[in-house]
Amino acid sequence: GAVVSQHPSRVICKSGTSVKIECRSLDFQATTMFWYRQFPKKSLMLMATSNEGSKATYEQGVEKDKFLINHASLTLSTLTVTSAHPEDSSFYICSAYAGTDGEKLFFGSGTQLSVL
Amino acid sequence: GENVEQHPSTLSVQEGDSAVIKCTYSDSASNYFPWYKQELGKRPQLIIDIRSNVGEKKDQRIAVTLNKTAKHFSLHITETQPEDSAVYFCAAPGGSYIPTFGRGTSLIVHP
Repeated sequence: GAVVSQHPSRVICKSGTSVKIECRSLDFQATTMFWYRQFPKKSLMLMATSNEGSKATYEQGVEKDKFLINHASLTLSTLTVTSAHPEDSSFYICSAYAGTDGEKLFFGSGTQLSVL
Repeated sequence: GENVEQHPSTLSVQEGDSAVIKCTYSDSASNYFPWYKQELGKRPQLIIDIRSNVGEKKDQRIAVTLNKTAKHFSLHITETQPEDSAVYFCAAPGGSYIPTFGRGTSLIVHP
């Protein structure tokens, strides 16, 4: 299957700092990527849809200025958590539809963010 | 948008028993229904999927059934093993092709 690479896998930062998470499609091009947030033992909550070459589409209740998304190429989308606070601590995971099998969603390995 | 309901939230079975997880969806435009397995701290993995023109699909111990009229689909795991323990999510794309996930079912298989 298609491979989606996500880095870093784990990050611990101080409150007030910004954290960038990268999501790459390794063997296919992804015009659209999805960013999810997941709390322990909870479902995947869609934060935003990242569109290559245009602005991301954010879900209701997600702060655009807090969670900056950039999708500058067909293989890379980044999520930057700006001025992180302890309540931003969570598991963030990206995903994309593989080009050759457009219905199947492939996930990155996730990033566990801990804000102290 | 699409609304996906998943039940139960927790399912505890003995090794060798069968497990069934059910999902309902709201958007009649949904035509693809995947199931994902997620182990703690790891990415969700697609384990089986079904398209709307099929009523049932099997892959070894795993099967998925779909009732489009009633708008529900189910995951069936037979002869459960301890390594089947994980959280399982159903999903439906709706007409927008943006995947909406169920809340998840924590399956615990006791040896």
